[in-house]
Parts: sequence; C-alpha cells; structure tokens
Amino acid sequence: GQQLNQSPQSMFIQEGEDVSMNCTSSSIFNTWLWYKQDPGEGPVLLIALYKAGELTSNGRLTAQFGITRKDSFLNISASIPSDVGIYFCAGFPSGGGADGLTFGKGTHLIIQP
Amino acid sequence: DTEVTQTPKHLVMGMTNKKSLKCEQHMGHRAMYWYKQKAKKPPELMFVYSYEKLSINESVPSRFSPECPNSSLLNLHLHALQPEDSALYLCASSQTQREYEQYFGPGTRLTVT
Repeated sequence: GQQLNQSPQSMFIQEGEDVSMNCTSSSIFNTWLWYKQDPGEGPVLLIALYKAGELTSNGRLTAQFGITRKDSFLNISASIPSDVGIYFCAGFPSGGGADGLTFGKGTHLIIQP
Repeated sequence: DTEVTQTPKHLVMGMTNKKSLKCEQHMGHRAMYWYKQKAKKPPELMFVYSYEKLSINESVPSRFSPECPNSSLLNLHLHALQPEDSALYLCASSQTQREYEQYFGPGTRLTVT
C-alpha cells in the first residue's frame, strides 16, 4: 500500500519556540490532513488541504499542500504546553479512497517549560 | 453536534469472552469506520460502512464482527480475541462525499488477558 514518510519522529522543544514537521509520499494525494492525538484520546482534525499550493491557517497552526501533491508541512508558532501530543499527517489518494486514509507514523511533540 | 461517542472507554476481556464496542454519531454522516491503533503507531483501517452497508473489510480476522444497525450507530462484536488484539479501537465518521474528512471518537482501550 501507499506510505507516508513523516518527520521528525519526535521533537523536544522549549515553550515559545516554533515547530515544523512534514510528510512526503511517492504517490500523489488529492487531500492532505493533519490530526493531533492526545494520550488516551482519538485523533482530532486540525487542518484539511484540498488544492496543490494551498496554504491554510488555524490559529497558531499553518499547513501547506505541496505543489507536487506529494508532500505537506505543518508549522506551529509560539508553542505552548497544550501543544504536546502526537501529530499525524494523513492523505487521501488521487485514485479514490478504497483503502481509506493513509496515515504517517506521527511526530511526537514534547515541550519543556 | 460534532461529536463521535464510543463506549466503553476501557474494556478488559478474557480470550473466551464475547463483548461489543459501540459508536454513535449524530452529524448525519453516512460513512462510518473502525480503526485499530497500537501504542505510538498510526491508526489502521479495519472496516468501512457506507449507507449502513459494509464496503471495505481490510482482511480483518473473523473474531472481529462489525454491525451497522442504523445510520447513527456502529458496533464491533468481539469473540475469542487474542492478547495481541489489545489496542485502542477508534470509530470515525464522515460525509460520503467527503470521506477524506473523518471525525474520530475518543476510542475504546481494549485489553485482552
């Protein structure tokens, strides 16, 4: 099946720093999504991207759909303690969703006060 | 109402037990999903229901039996599970025309002893 390469695997940062993570794929995706998951909870949809080149913000979060349709990044500005969690990218393939969403392996964000 | 609810939150069962997981949404979504998630891994798709009919079964063992009694409810019946089936089981829903935009419940933490 299709795979998404998400990096970094984990990040240890200081409160107030900006964060950047990305996802790449060998296949084209029609939709990119970014989810955040807190321990013991389900993933929460943060941002959805639908067009190549699209740049979308949600508060301190900004995500972009790469021009090649094979990558996406998520930036978090001025991190705060509640940003801690696992961030997953997910893609929906150009051929349709017969296999559902494809998830990256996640970026574990740890913030030191 | 933009919430997907799941019960129970935690479940411990023996390998000879029969139990059921329940999921409910009132967003009018006609696509519902079961995912399995191991610790620090991304969710893995198990089943997809579209208009209350099973459309995708990702080669899941028969000891997992899904059921969609109506457009708001999704069940997962469990029987003769193995310890390696211990995981977080997530339910999600979406509009059928926007199947890439999935909303997840908080999950059921299942432990098989």
